Amino acid sequence: DIQMTQSPSSVSASVGDRVTITCRASQGISSWLAWYQQKPGKAPKLLIYAASSLQSGVPSRFSGSGSGTDFTLTISSLQPEDFATYYCQQANSFPRTFGQGTRLEIK
Amino acid sequence: EVQLVESGGGLVQPGGSLRLSCAASGFTFSSYWMSWVRQAPGKGLEWVANIKQDGSEKYYVDSVKGRFTISRDNAKNSLYLQMNSLRAEDTAVYYCARDGYGEDFDYWGQGTLVTVSS
Repeated sequence: DIQMTQSPSSVSASVGDRVTITCRASQGISSWLAWYQQKPGKAPKLLIYAASSLQSGVPSRFSGSGSGTDFTLTISSLQPEDFATYYCQQANSFPRTFGQGTRLEIK
Repeated sequence: EVQLVESGGGLVQPGGSLRLSCAASGFTFSSYWMSWVRQAPGKGLEWVANIKQDGSEKYYVDSVKGRFTISRDNAKNSLYLQMNSLRAEDTAVYYCARDGYGEDFDYWGQGTLVTVSS
């Protein structure tokens, strides 16, 4: 199975800050990577697919990059509604696997 | 508007069975792979199983192989998860999700809670 490791596990930031979350795969997955946002008590929401493609309706302050084993999710200017938990997910092979999550908190 | 609505969760004893359902609307259900993803209380996300458009291919995470069965009824726009021999570690919110063209999960239901406890 492909292991997905996110860092950091949690981060504190302020409104307007630029934040970067990283995700590393235990083996190469080309660009088969997605990013999700989850708020407490809610279902996850797809933000980025194919490593860098923005899902329809997602604000342009979210961006993704990377290929192979190393990927990043960047939020260019944090808004109050962005404080949530973020997960990466590899889509290269079965079983599909997720990172452990990164909790983004208000400083 | 795409909608996925799960049902069938509840409290079940260890070793028991439960069948989850997911009613889909707002898209051509028969054109998409579909998945179940679960989340134990306070934990991360775990993909459980998925099924091809016509039901001819199914994949499972190792921890549920031989115990869970995913199925679908395209005439009823419905996805199912039959869960047998349930264990305490199966306790989770179970989400129905549509597989996107990027092999991601582009739409999710609201989830249904399964609690395995005596």
